[in-house]
Amino acid sequence: NAGVMQNPRHLVRRRGQEARLRCSPMKGHSHVYWYRQLPEEGLKFMVYLQKENIIDESGMPKERFSAEFPKEGPSILRIQQVVRGDSAAYFCASSLKGTGVYEQYFGPGTRLTVT
Amino acid sequence: GIQVEQSPPDLILQEGANSTLRCNFSDSVNNLQWFHQNPWGQLINLFYIPSGTKQNGRLSATTVATERYSLLYISSSQTTDSGVYFCAVERGNNDMRFGAGTRLTVKP
Repeated sequence: NAGVMQNPRHLVRRRGQEARLRCSPMKGHSHVYWYRQLPEEGLKFMVYLQKENIIDESGMPKERFSAEFPKEGPSILRIQQVVRGDSAAYFCASSLKGTGVYEQYFGPGTRLTVT
Repeated sequence: GIQVEQSPPDLILQEGANSTLRCNFSDSVNNLQWFHQNPWGQLINLFYIPSGTKQNGRLSATTVATERYSLLYISSSQTTDSGVYFCAVERGNNDMRFGAGTRLTVKP
């Protein structure tokens, strides 16, 4: 019974490059959430997706960031033209059902370093 | 938006001691979860507890939803309990809000 999977676990990018972070939810879960954690801080909500739909992206920066959860395959968080301030840990979570009814389970995170 | 406050921000214990961590939140919630982030950065689900009391081994948690707080109890602490403990709440709008965490250090 695999948990939430994220890859890569560590990612180094130079300023201006693109970063792609992948998340495979737990088996049977169709709701995916992305969070960002800056050093020494708590996690901040970015986006909530269901298969082929973005439900809530109120926490996502308006520029350079995008997310998708296709019918087949993992959810992808994409950061274009990365800057040093994007360096953070990015966590993905999944749940059986959204709307706050069910528990969220977190992946191990992807640590992005922008040099 | 909803505010989540955790106390204390830092806690240092001797192995074997007990502790209580507190989470206050500013509005009614549908969801409340406690997590342990270990020194390697992994987030481990401890409790899903929007109300009531639960126990799991040396850990237990109580949420009093009407008074907008939750408590996490750690008994007979071990060095492996070290890390940051986060409380997170959600009002049903998919936006889970995390507190700033309590950093626990258990010394041998």
